[in-house]
Amino acid sequence: AQSVTQLGSHVSVSEGALVLLRCNYSSSVPPYLFWYVQYPNQGLQLLLKYTSAATLVKGINGFEAEFKKSETSFHLTKPSAHMSDAAEYFCAVRDSGGGADGLTFGKGTHLIIQP
Amino acid sequence: EAQVTQNPRYLITVTGKKLTVTCSQNMNHEYMSWYRQDPGLGLRQIYYSMNVEVTDKGDVPEGYKVSRKEKRNFPLILESPSPNQTSLYFCASGEVRTGAFFGQGTRLTVV
Repeated sequence: AQSVTQLGSHVSVSEGALVLLRCNYSSSVPPYLFWYVQYPNQGLQLLLKYTSAATLVKGINGFEAEFKKSETSFHLTKPSAHMSDAAEYFCAVRDSGGGADGLTFGKGTHLIIQP
Repeated sequence: EAQVTQNPRYLITVTGKKLTVTCSQNMNHEYMSWYRQDPGLGLRQIYYSMNVEVTDKGDVPEGYKVSRKEKRNFPLILESPSPNQTSLYFCASGEVRTGAFFGQGTRLTVV
């Protein structure tokens, strides 16, 4: 089964600073990887996805992520944090073994933006 | 507008009283699934459905049932809720490889 590890349950950055949220995965097959964002009292919204095309993936709201097979990583970055980026972020990998098809999520990283 | 609609959004119930959380999608997706979200654990899949009348267990199916009689609806049934089922529940729709759509969530409290 696939698994996802997100380093840091909470990350705090200053407004305007670089955002880096870390995600490492384990997968026995070429992975489909995703980042989702959850704002307070909201559902999950897809930020971006990697599906074996370009290794640098651009998403919504200025976020991007780079797939690095040698490091089994899919870290999420944004050059300049904005107050509106404060949310919970989830990395996920597609788990499609045994005829099933679903997402295996990391435990989430809460992003805090300091003014 | 593409939507996954869950009802109710909030529910407080007592142990043992059967309840159903509804989920409906308007995108004609074949694949639908249910997740629960708990602090520090992320989201875990409860059940999924590949199509009408085709359902299967996810990672944490104990205490839950589902049905898929129509393509658009995928209700989650708790026959005898217990306090350890207090959680935030999400319905998702769509093929995972393209990025699933999630509902707004149902916050369930079992006392």
